[in-house]
Amino acid sequence: DQQVKQNSPSLSVQEGRISILNCDYTNSMFDYFLWYKKYPAEGPTFLISISSIKDKNEDGRFTVFLNKSAKHLSLHIVPSQPGDSAVYFCAGGEVSNYKLTFGKGTLLTVNP
Amino acid sequence: DAGVIQSPRHEVTEMGQEVTLRCKPISGHDYLFWYRQTMMRGLELLIYFNNNVPIDDSGMPEDRFSAKMPNASFSTLKIQPSEPRDSAVYFCASSFTGRGTGELFFGEGSRLTVL
Repeated sequence: DQQVKQNSPSLSVQEGRISILNCDYTNSMFDYFLWYKKYPAEGPTFLISISSIKDKNEDGRFTVFLNKSAKHLSLHIVPSQPGDSAVYFCAGGEVSNYKLTFGKGTLLTVNP
Repeated sequence: DAGVIQSPRHEVTEMGQEVTLRCKPISGHDYLFWYRQTMMRGLELLIYFNNNVPIDDSGMPEDRFSAKMPNASFSTLKIQPSEPRDSAVYFCASSFTGRGTGELFFGEGSRLTVL
């Protein structure tokens, strides 16, 4: 039973355009959500997070949107750059513990 | 400041052999997590510790897997005996109490291949 789902295994966009990565979750207990970025042969690195009491968080080119009623969040990257090419993981967590539940990831390719 | 350090980076072994993966968390962090990444299941949590005490091991696949944290700066994940289906990348991550967003800091992973 996957609590966090990333239904698109891959996404390809042109440099300068917007990248939109989507994530759905089923666990209503999640208090916060995070996006991680992973390059080959490296560990995942934290990108951006959002609390469940907010619907938007922005950090430079990266914006995360949360729709609690739909149990859906998305990561927007504007403008996309070739260096953004990586696997992006969505994760949900509860304040009561520190463990994160991850989706399977989406491979983003930004073409020059 | 050093990040999470894992060893070995790559391990190739034969079915039935014992495998030990090691992790040194970031100094001062009181949470340590072991995750496994496979194509089929993505990143799945195996076990996590708080102050060296195992809190939740419900993700450990079976008794062949065991994890220990003898002190705040070292943890091991052991597989005995190993099987081909254990082939995956194993990540160790650490964090600390008070990290409101729950951000985890990951090591570079240990890629295990069981032949």
